Amino acid sequence: ELKVEQNPLFLSMQEGKNYTIYCNYSTTSDRLYWYRQDPGKSLESLFVLLSNGAVKQEGRLMASLDTKARLSTLHITAAVHDLSATYFCAVAGTASKLTFGTGTRLQVTL
Amino acid sequence: KAGVTQTPRYLIKTRGQQVTLSCSPISGHRSVSWYQQTPGQGLQFLFEYFSETQRNKGNFPGRFSGRQFSNSRSEMNVSTLELGDSALYLCASSLVMGTTEAFFGQGTRLTVV
Repeated sequence: ELKVEQNPLFLSMQEGKNYTIYCNYSTTSDRLYWYRQDPGKSLESLFVLLSNGAVKQEGRLMASLDTKARLSTLHITAAVHDLSATYFCAVAGTASKLTFGTGTRLQVTL
Repeated sequence: KAGVTQTPRYLIKTRGQQVTLSCSPISGHRSVSWYQQTPGQGLQFLFEYFSETQRNKGNFPGRFSGRQFSNSRSEMNVSTLELGDSALYLCASSLVMGTTEAFFGQGTRLTVV
């Protein structure tokens, strides 16, 4: 059974600082996703990573994938308050089934 | 291009009742997946439909069921509601099964009292 571990669960960081969220998964997969969720809202797709060594960047967020280590990272550069949200990684299993990590609640403070 | 539409957005039901939630995928998308999100269990896969057939099912009791229509719209039904069924139910739309992009609807917030 595919298991996805995400850490940390909660992250409080100051504006302007850098940090990384980690996502480990237990079995081979060909797709890894990062989503953002604001309180009471749905999931917004951030990145889809398809191959070993894949790196994608959008603004202050950069995601990477190491399929050999079964590890993905979401790096936040020079955080701003607007990035405050909960971030989920999700790993594709059979067909379209996604197994989600526990989520990382990011709080960016002044 | 319209996104994934879920109705209703909010619902309050009493224990023992049943409920039906609806999901209209993005036009042209034929795969619909359902997820349950709770504070305790996080996001969990319920089932996936493609071409009106259930293709994949998560570890939920038989009280949870679904179907898909020829226009790809999907419904999920929960019978004999329990307090623990209170959750945000999210629907995801994909072009076909196993494609790279999955787009989520706004969700239906179900409260069981």
